[in-house]
Amino acid sequence: GENVEQHPSTLSVQEGDSAVIKCTYSDSASNYFPWYKQELGKGSQLIIDIRSNVGEKKDQRIAVTLNKTAKHFSLHITETQPEDSAVYFCAASSSAGGTSYGKLTFGQGTILTVHP
Amino acid sequence: KAGVTQTPRYLIKTRGQQVTLSCSPISGHRSVSWYQQTPGQGLQFLFEYFSETQRNKGNFPGRFSGRQFSNSRSEMNVSTLELGDSALYLCASSIIPGLAGEADTQYFGPGTRLTVL
Repeated sequence: GENVEQHPSTLSVQEGDSAVIKCTYSDSASNYFPWYKQELGKGSQLIIDIRSNVGEKKDQRIAVTLNKTAKHFSLHITETQPEDSAVYFCAASSSAGGTSYGKLTFGQGTILTVHP
Repeated sequence: KAGVTQTPRYLIKTRGQQVTLSCSPISGHRSVSWYQQTPGQGLQFLFEYFSETQRNKGNFPGRFSGRQFSNSRSEMNVSTLELGDSALYLCASSIIPGLAGEADTQYFGPGTRLTVL
Protein backbone atom coordinates (compact mmCIF):
# COMPACT_ATOMS: atom_id res chain seq x y z
CA GLY A 1 0.00 0.00 0.00
CA GLU A 2 0.87 3.67 -0.06
CA ASN A 3 3.43 5.07 2.36
CA VAL A 4 3.96 8.80 2.93
CA GLU A 5 7.02 10.18 4.69
CA GLN A 6 7.00 13.77 5.94
CA HIS A 7 9.94 15.94 7.05
CA PRO A 8 10.80 17.70 9.22
CA SER A 9 8.78 16.63 12.25
CA THR A 10 9.28 20.05 13.86
CA LEU A 11 10.09 23.39 12.26
CA SER A 12 10.76 26.65 14.02
CA VAL A 13 11.01 29.92 12.09
CA GLN A 14 10.98 33.63 12.75
CA GLU A 15 7.99 35.68 11.68
CA GLY A 16 8.44 36.75 8.07
CA ASP A 17 10.67 33.84 7.14
CA SER A 18 9.66 31.05 4.76
CA ALA A 19 8.81 27.51 5.81
CA VAL A 20 9.13 24.40 3.66
CA ILE A 21 7.74 20.96 4.48
CA LYS A 22 8.52 17.98 2.28
CA CYS A 23 6.72 14.68 1.68
CA THR A 24 7.57 11.62 -0.35
CA TYR A 25 5.15 8.91 -1.43
CA SER A 26 5.62 5.38 -2.63
CA ASP A 27 2.62 4.49 -4.81
CA SER A 28 2.94 5.73 -8.38
CA ALA A 29 -0.86 5.45 -8.71
CA SER A 30 -1.34 8.32 -6.25
CA ASN A 31 -2.61 11.36 -8.09
CA TYR A 32 -4.05 13.69 -5.46
CA PHE A 33 -2.03 15.42 -2.74
CA PRO A 34 -3.77 17.62 -0.14
CA TRP A 35 -2.25 19.52 2.76
CA TYR A 36 -4.11 20.01 6.03
CA LYS A 37 -3.52 22.41 8.91
CA GLN A 38 -4.56 21.14 12.31
CA GLU A 39 -5.09 23.42 15.26
CA LEU A 40 -6.28 22.45 18.71
CA GLY A 41 -10.05 22.57 18.88
CA LYS A 42 -10.39 23.62 15.25
CA GLY A 43 -10.07 20.34 13.44
CA SER A 44 -8.16 19.77 10.24
CA GLN A 45 -8.48 22.47 7.61
CA LEU A 46 -7.62 21.84 3.97
CA ILE A 47 -5.18 24.61 3.02
CA ILE A 48 -4.16 23.60 -0.48
CA ASP A 49 -4.15 20.55 -2.73
CA ILE A 50 -2.61 19.52 -6.02
CA ARG A 51 -3.41 16.91 -8.60
CA SER A 52 -0.85 14.98 -10.60
CA ASN A 53 -1.51 16.80 -13.86
CA VAL A 54 -0.14 20.01 -12.29
CA GLY A 55 3.41 20.75 -11.14
CA GLU A 56 2.77 23.75 -8.93
CA LYS A 57 -0.15 25.55 -7.35
CA LYS A 58 -0.18 28.78 -5.39
CA ASP A 59 -2.71 30.46 -3.13
CA GLN A 60 -1.50 33.76 -1.68
CA ARG A 61 1.33 32.91 0.76
CA ILE A 62 0.97 29.15 0.31
CA ALA A 63 2.28 27.06 -2.57
CA VAL A 64 2.65 23.37 -3.27
CA THR A 65 5.01 21.76 -5.77
CA LEU A 66 4.84 18.22 -7.10
CA ASN A 67 7.57 16.13 -8.69
CA LYS A 68 5.92 12.96 -9.99
CA THR A 69 9.16 11.45 -11.23
CA ALA A 70 10.80 11.71 -7.83
CA LYS A 71 7.50 11.06 -6.01
CA HIS A 72 7.73 14.02 -3.74
CA PHE A 73 5.72 17.14 -3.04
CA SER A 74 6.37 20.14 -0.85
CA LEU A 75 4.47 22.86 0.97
CA HIS A 76 5.93 26.36 0.91
CA ILE A 77 4.69 29.11 3.22
CA THR A 78 6.14 32.56 2.65
CA GLU A 79 6.07 35.57 4.99
CA THR A 80 5.11 33.37 7.92
CA GLN A 81 2.94 34.79 10.68
CA PRO A 82 2.40 33.58 14.27
CA GLU A 83 -1.08 32.37 13.29
CA ASP A 84 0.56 29.93 10.88
CA SER A 85 1.75 27.98 13.94
CA ALA A 86 0.00 24.59 13.82
CA VAL A 87 0.53 20.97 12.84
CA TYR A 88 0.64 20.42 9.09
CA PHE A 89 -0.14 17.08 7.45
CA CYS A 90 0.48 16.01 3.91
CA ALA A 91 -1.53 13.19 2.35
CA ALA A 92 -1.78 11.16 -0.83
CA SER A 93 -4.71 9.50 -2.52
CA SER A 94 -5.55 7.66 -5.70
CA SER A 95 -8.62 7.70 -7.89
CA ALA A 96 -8.03 4.07 -8.86
CA GLY A 97 -11.01 2.91 -6.85
CA GLY A 98 -11.13 -0.39 -4.99
CA THR A 99 -8.87 -0.15 -1.96
CA SER A 100 -8.38 3.55 -2.71
CA TYR A 101 -11.99 4.61 -2.17
CA GLY A 102 -12.14 7.49 0.28
CA LYS A 103 -8.68 6.75 1.63
CA LEU A 104 -6.07 9.37 2.33
CA THR A 105 -2.65 8.17 3.48
CA PHE A 106 -1.10 10.77 5.74
CA GLY A 107 2.41 11.78 6.62
CA GLN A 108 3.39 11.93 10.30
CA GLY A 109 2.87 15.67 10.57
CA THR A 110 5.09 18.73 11.08
CA ILE A 111 4.77 21.00 14.09
CA LEU A 112 5.41 24.50 12.77
CA THR A 113 6.18 27.25 15.27
CA VAL A 114 6.44 30.84 14.08
CA HIS A 115 8.13 33.11 16.60
CA PRO A 116 7.07 36.78 16.66
CA LYS B 1 -22.88 25.98 4.18
CA ALA B 2 -22.29 24.17 7.46
CA GLY B 3 -19.18 22.06 7.80
CA VAL B 4 -18.80 18.49 8.93
CA THR B 5 -20.15 17.99 12.43
CA GLN B 6 -19.21 15.26 14.86
CA THR B 7 -20.84 14.32 18.14
CA PRO B 8 -19.97 14.00 20.88
CA ARG B 9 -16.78 16.08 20.96
CA TYR B 10 -15.41 14.34 24.05
CA LEU B 11 -16.10 10.93 25.51
CA ILE B 12 -14.72 8.96 28.43
CA LYS B 13 -15.32 5.22 28.61
CA THR B 14 -13.89 2.29 30.49
CA ARG B 15 -12.31 -0.85 29.10
CA GLY B 16 -14.82 -3.39 27.81
CA GLN B 17 -17.52 -0.85 27.06
CA GLN B 18 -18.69 0.06 23.59
CA VAL B 19 -19.06 3.48 22.01
CA THR B 20 -20.89 5.03 19.07
CA LEU B 21 -19.67 8.18 17.37
CA SER B 22 -21.70 10.23 14.93
CA CYS B 23 -20.78 12.25 11.86
CA SER B 24 -22.95 14.54 9.75
CA PRO B 25 -21.36 15.38 6.39
CA ILE B 26 -21.53 18.66 4.54
CA SER B 27 -24.89 19.01 2.85
CA GLY B 28 -24.78 17.33 -0.56
CA HIS B 29 -21.72 15.23 0.28
CA ARG B 30 -22.36 11.52 -0.06
CA SER B 31 -19.10 9.90 0.98
CA VAL B 32 -17.91 9.69 4.57
CA SER B 33 -14.48 8.45 5.63
CA TRP B 34 -13.33 7.80 9.19
CA TYR B 35 -9.82 8.13 10.58
CA GLN B 36 -8.14 7.42 13.90
CA GLN B 37 -5.44 9.82 15.08
CA THR B 38 -2.99 8.85 17.83
CA PRO B 39 0.41 10.33 18.77
CA GLY B 40 2.17 7.07 17.94
CA GLN B 41 0.45 6.02 14.71
CA GLY B 42 -0.64 9.36 13.31
CA LEU B 43 -3.73 9.52 11.14
CA GLN B 44 -4.92 6.12 9.96
CA PHE B 45 -7.81 5.28 7.67
CA LEU B 46 -10.61 3.25 9.24
CA PHE B 47 -13.28 2.93 6.54
CA GLU B 48 -15.30 4.77 3.91
CA TYR B 49 -19.03 4.73 3.21
CA PHE B 50 -21.00 5.77 0.17
CA SER B 51 -24.69 5.14 -0.48
CA GLU B 52 -25.01 3.24 2.79
CA THR B 53 -22.30 0.79 1.66
CA GLN B 54 -18.82 0.32 3.03
CA ARG B 55 -16.56 0.56 0.00
CA ASN B 56 -13.19 0.45 1.70
CA LYS B 57 -11.75 -0.61 5.02
CA GLY B 58 -8.40 -0.05 6.69
CA ASN B 59 -6.39 -2.44 8.82
CA PHE B 60 -8.37 -2.35 12.02
CA PRO B 61 -9.90 -5.25 13.96
CA GLY B 62 -13.54 -6.19 13.60
CA ARG B 63 -14.33 -4.34 16.85
CA PHE B 64 -14.40 -1.24 14.68
CA SER B 65 -17.51 -0.98 12.55
CA GLY B 66 -19.63 1.67 10.96
CA ARG B 67 -22.68 2.40 8.95
CA GLN B 68 -24.19 5.11 6.84
CA PHE B 69 -27.80 6.19 6.67
CA SER B 70 -29.85 7.26 3.68
CA ASN B 71 -29.25 10.94 4.54
CA SER B 72 -25.47 10.26 4.35
CA ARG B 73 -24.97 10.65 8.09
CA SER B 74 -22.59 8.06 9.44
CA GLU B 75 -21.86 6.37 12.72
CA MET B 76 -18.91 4.34 13.83
CA ASN B 77 -18.95 1.87 16.67
CA VAL B 78 -16.14 0.42 18.72
CA SER B 79 -16.98 -2.58 20.85
CA THR B 80 -15.04 -4.05 23.77
CA LEU B 81 -12.95 -0.93 24.20
CA GLU B 82 -9.23 -1.26 24.92
CA LEU B 83 -6.87 1.33 26.37
CA GLY B 84 -5.20 1.62 22.97
CA ASP B 85 -8.45 2.83 21.42
CA SER B 86 -7.95 6.20 23.12
CA ALA B 87 -7.61 8.57 20.18
CA LEU B 88 -9.07 11.43 18.22
CA TYR B 89 -11.59 10.03 15.75
CA LEU B 90 -12.06 12.16 12.67
CA CYS B 91 -14.61 11.92 9.95
CA ALA B 92 -14.36 13.54 6.56
CA SER B 93 -16.92 14.03 3.85
CA SER B 94 -16.61 14.44 0.12
CA ILE B 95 -18.78 14.73 -2.95
CA ILE B 96 -18.63 11.63 -5.06
CA PRO B 97 -16.83 12.58 -8.28
CA GLY B 98 -18.47 12.19 -11.60
CA LEU B 99 -17.27 10.24 -14.58
CA ALA B 100 -13.91 12.01 -14.48
CA GLY B 101 -13.09 9.73 -11.54
CA GLU B 102 -10.85 12.16 -9.74
CA ALA B 103 -9.86 11.43 -6.17
CA ASP B 104 -12.07 13.75 -4.22
CA THR B 105 -11.36 16.50 -1.75
CA GLN B 106 -12.14 15.51 1.83
CA TYR B 107 -13.32 18.00 4.43
CA PHE B 108 -12.77 17.08 8.04
CA GLY B 109 -14.88 17.55 11.11
CA PRO B 110 -13.43 18.66 14.48
CA GLY B 111 -13.21 15.09 15.74
CA THR B 112 -14.35 13.15 18.79
CA ARG B 113 -11.75 12.76 21.52
CA LEU B 114 -12.22 9.29 23.05
CA THR B 115 -10.48 8.42 26.30
CA VAL B 116 -10.59 4.82 27.51
CA LEU B 117 -9.80 4.30 31.20
